[in-house]
Amino acid sequence: DGGITQSPKYLFRKEGQNVTLSCEQNLNHDAMYWYRQDPGQGLRLIYYSQIVNDFQKGDIAEGYSVSREKKESFPLTVTSAQKNPTAFYLCASSTDRDGNQPQHFGDGTRLSIL
Amino acid sequence: GNSVTQMEGPVTLSEEAFLTINCTYTATGYPSLFWYVQYPGEGLQLLLKATKADDKGSNKGFEATYRKETTSFHLEKGSVQVSDSAVYFCALSDITGRRALTFGSGTRLQVQP
Repeated sequence: DGGITQSPKYLFRKEGQNVTLSCEQNLNHDAMYWYRQDPGQGLRLIYYSQIVNDFQKGDIAEGYSVSREKKESFPLTVTSAQKNPTAFYLCASSTDRDGNQPQHFGDGTRLSIL
Repeated sequence: GNSVTQMEGPVTLSEEAFLTINCTYTATGYPSLFWYVQYPGEGLQLLLKATKADDKGSNKGFEATYRKETTSFHLEKGSVQVSDSAVYFCALSDITGRRALTFGSGTRLQVQP
């Protein structure tokens, strides 16, 4: 079955440490997205990529970085510059042909500070 | 910019009750509208969508109609079940720019037996 795989499911970060969240899809989708979810809030866009080797900042990109070297992979690095990283992180993908297509989501990674 | 406003939860209903979760939006142009559902500890699943005015999306007994005149996309179900307990998100797509979704803050539904 096609889908999006996020790993790990739980991740702990120490002070001053960078951590990387994995996102892999086998849906052959061009576009991929990273969202952050805080309790009681909706999802906020961190970064997005509509094609390989290209990505754009979303609404809350500070303290995060991404790469898109392969169509199926879109890893997110939470850097030490992100002072409040504790949240639920969701990766999504879509065909993005005309903006009318839904996004498919992974099961998320929960990041906490040690 | 684009925005989505949902009714605050939690919404607590008895099994077989009628459900309405209100959603209104502000957007440039004519975005597509979506309802997603999130079960505890999981990602979001698409529940239904509508791509133009007066379209009705439906799935698993849930329905929502794209109302351009009232900029609304309210979610309804005639008879809820305990298994419908989850958080529901209304979202719209930005068809003119980055093609990402703008989400409402979510509404938690609790259905009691």
